[in-house]
Amino acid sequence: DAEITQSPRHKITETGRQVTLACHQTWNHNNMFWYRQDLGHGLRLIHYSYGVQDTNKGEVSDGYSVSRSNTEDLPLTLESAASSQTSVYFCASSENGQTDTQYFGPGTRLTVL
Amino acid sequence: DQQVKQNSPSLSVQEGRISILNCDYTNSMFDYFLWYKKYPAEGPTFLISISSIKDKNEDGRFTVFLNKSAKHLSLHIVPSQPGDSAVYFCAASGLSGYALNFGKGTSLLVTP
Repeated sequence: DAEITQSPRHKITETGRQVTLACHQTWNHNNMFWYRQDLGHGLRLIHYSYGVQDTNKGEVSDGYSVSRSNTEDLPLTLESAASSQTSVYFCASSENGQTDTQYFGPGTRLTVL
Repeated sequence: DQQVKQNSPSLSVQEGRISILNCDYTNSMFDYFLWYKKYPAEGPTFLISISSIKDKNEDGRFTVFLNKSAKHLSLHIVPSQPGDSAVYFCAASGLSGYALNFGKGTSLLVTP
């Protein structure tokens, strides 16, 4: 079955370290998204991509970067982790257009000490 | 500034009764609205959606109503079941392309 996976599921890191969260989907979807979920904020958009080599900033992109070198993967990098980036991170993908359903991965819980 | 608002953090309903979850939005550029359901330690799962050209969409026990003039949508669950207990997120798209703007969520508890 096609799916979307995230790894690791849990990570603890220290302030200042570079961290990369992986997202992999097997649906061959063009669109991929990264959101973070924090108490009192719901889910907020970090970065998104509509295809290979395409990346766009979302609402809370500062301190994060993404790259899209193939259709299946959109890794999220925290250049220098900060305690404010402690959160649960969700990756999502959708086929093409606006009305195509976004399917979410299981999430990565990141703690920055 | 939150452009999609869910003003009720929680809701408790008895099994078999109707659950009504509400959502307001501030930007008239939104043209597609969705509800997602989320269980603890899982990713959100799509529940139902509605385009701005419609005012109602129904799927089994779930119905979404859209009132564009009031910038308000609601999700009705009839009848409610204990398995419906979850956090429900309202979302809208149309500003940042296909990306979703989410509300803060409403935690629904359906009691037997």
